[in-house]
Amino acid sequence: GDSVTQMEGPVTLSEEAFLTINCTYTATGYPSLFWYVQYPGEGLQLLLKATKADDKGSNKGFEATYRKETTSFHLEKGSVQVSDSAVYFCALVGKGQGGKLIFGQGTELSVKP
Amino acid sequence: EPEVTQTPSHQVTQMGQEVILRCVPISNHLYFYWYRQILGQKVEFLVSFYNNEISEKSEIFDDQFSVERPDGSNFTLKIRSTKLEDSAMYFCASSEGAETQYFGPGTRLLVL
Repeated sequence: GDSVTQMEGPVTLSEEAFLTINCTYTATGYPSLFWYVQYPGEGLQLLLKATKADDKGSNKGFEATYRKETTSFHLEKGSVQVSDSAVYFCALVGKGQGGKLIFGQGTELSVKP
Repeated sequence: EPEVTQTPSHQVTQMGQEVILRCVPISNHLYFYWYRQILGQKVEFLVSFYNNEISEKSEIFDDQFSVERPDGSNFTLKIRSTKLEDSAMYFCASSEGAETQYFGPGTRLLVL
């Protein structure tokens, strides 16, 4: 079945460092891809999405590009802030699958001043 | 900005008791979902609901679980006889089409 694999956490960075969180997926067909963020004590917030190959999703300085050839959707940010500390979830929705989101295991990011 | 709301934020119950978790989806959304997240684990799909019926459910969603949209605004998840392993954070989500979902803040359920 469809699945999502993320890099293990926790990831600890200094403020203004470059961030990459790797995400790869397995799916039949061409799913839509998402990054959700969970700040401490809060629910899941949609960060960005891409619905077809080579699309780039972006929001709040974060970017991710839908790479069909490598089945990846890596999250990047050029300069992280302390306020970016959170758990990041990569997820997919298979086409024609009624919207069921399949999540990766989450990657905890901690940014130190 | 419209948002999904959930009540209660925390619920403590005894094993074997029934619980009802409530959600108010975004008003013009047509698709509704429940997910759960056991502490330290992945977010897992439970059920999706469209046009007043379940459209898909996972293996987790057994006969102890049910969902209902009792009126035009609420969407509920009922667990008939809670088990210790039902302790988790339960998230409601809604979407306008069957794709981009918006999540509520969650209900933390603790079964003792």
